[in-house]
Amino acid sequence: GAVVSQHPSRVICKSGTSVKIECRSLDFQATTMFWYRQFPKQSLMLMATSNEGSKATYEQGVEKDKFLINHASLTLSTLTVTSAHPEDSSFYICSVHRSPGEKLFFGSGTQLSVL
Amino acid sequence: SQQGEEDPQALSIQEGENATMNCSYKTSINNLQWYRQNSGRGLVHLILIRSNEREKHSGRLRVTLDTSKKSSSLLITASRAADTASYFCATHYNQGGKLIFGQGTELSVKP
Repeated sequence: GAVVSQHPSRVICKSGTSVKIECRSLDFQATTMFWYRQFPKQSLMLMATSNEGSKATYEQGVEKDKFLINHASLTLSTLTVTSAHPEDSSFYICSVHRSPGEKLFFGSGTQLSVL
Repeated sequence: SQQGEEDPQALSIQEGENATMNCSYKTSINNLQWYRQNSGRGLVHLILIRSNEREKHSGRLRVTLDTSKKSSSLLITASRAADTASYFCATHYNQGGKLIFGQGTELSVKP
């Protein structure tokens, strides 16, 4: 069965609205979760590392006020795309690991389309 | 920034043939991992090879690692149509567990 649950799988929203994506670790507690973004036919770009109980660590070039990450429990991290614009349209995927450097378990991804 | 470069970007073969994908990286690593992604889906872990290993097998998959050349290859033997997917290498180096993904190889296996 799935180790990571990600919702919603697809969302269409109007420009200027905010969208929240949830990522749940089902099998184990995850102090760290990773958020990736993927454009069509391209690779995954790491956006941020979500840390339970503390602030997320954002990669260079990722606006933390634009992409709000909350990791309030050991099984749930959320990514909120604030004031979404068409250029934010992308495939967002979360992942977890049992221990640093070991294999990642991925959610099924969220396809965001901003009109 | 991207750590890995993969080639080829796209590969089309017939069922039963072998498929080889290559990955090169820039800095020293702790391990290198290969993942598979079906279109529009999340990624699935295939195999992990550590920096002190040279070769690893898992079913029809064979992975090699050459740390002197900073490169790895993934071989899928006796390919099947169901192997059609994108394949990514990902490197782990000392930064708290995050993985950096290569550009990927899009594999198409024709029945």
